[in-house]
Amino acid sequence: DGGITQSPKYLFRKEGQNVTLSCEQNLNHDAMYWYRQDPGQGLRLIYYSQIVNDFQKGDIAEGYSVSREKKESFPLTVTSAQKNPTAFYLCASSSMMRSSTDTQYFGPGTRLTVL
Amino acid sequence: AQSVAQPEDQVKVAEGNPLTVKCTYSVSGNPYLFWYVQYPNRGLQFLLKYITGDNLVKGSYGFEAEFNKSQTSFHLKKPSALVSDSALYFCAVRPMGGNKLTFGTGTQLKVEL
Repeated sequence: DGGITQSPKYLFRKEGQNVTLSCEQNLNHDAMYWYRQDPGQGLRLIYYSQIVNDFQKGDIAEGYSVSREKKESFPLTVTSAQKNPTAFYLCASSSMMRSSTDTQYFGPGTRLTVL
Repeated sequence: AQSVAQPEDQVKVAEGNPLTVKCTYSVSGNPYLFWYVQYPNRGLQFLLKYITGDNLVKGSYGFEAEFNKSQTSFHLKKPSALVSDSALYFCAVRPMGGNKLTFGTGTQLKVEL
């Protein structure tokens, strides 16, 4: 987990609220990613960013939004439009996404629960 | 489309015995393959990857994986399991020239005394 921090570790949200999950990395990596993990489903890609001020939708982007104003930071907002937001959210980064051999490194995760 | 299959939801082995966690993949062209481990309520930790060259890849904590192109497999192995190896293991694949990493659904490894 070293080099990538996520906060908070646990987050509780009431229905209808937007919440923002923080992800910061000090690895000087260009690319950053957000994944959602549900039991028995592996990891699914929500959004990714290859450079500052640019990001692309992944496989399950609906109900989520991101920004990439700084190289080090890639916050994820879970909006009220996300129908089933309870999950474990993982942020990752890699030095250069354009390289297929690139290794992604993960943060410790944020567990979001909708009350 | 690329995909990864981890056919066993759970694998149980006795401490000191060899372990194998299976992974098969489907991808267009040459694959780049990765193994990660996840401990409860933690992020994924990188174990090893296959890019090219020797089919036997050595990684962290004594783990290794064997790439078999004809069987489209990349099984994770360790000669002697430890109780502390008990965790959730993920296999992932990315095609050469591609930028998306696709994960399997994970295999829970339980090492018993």
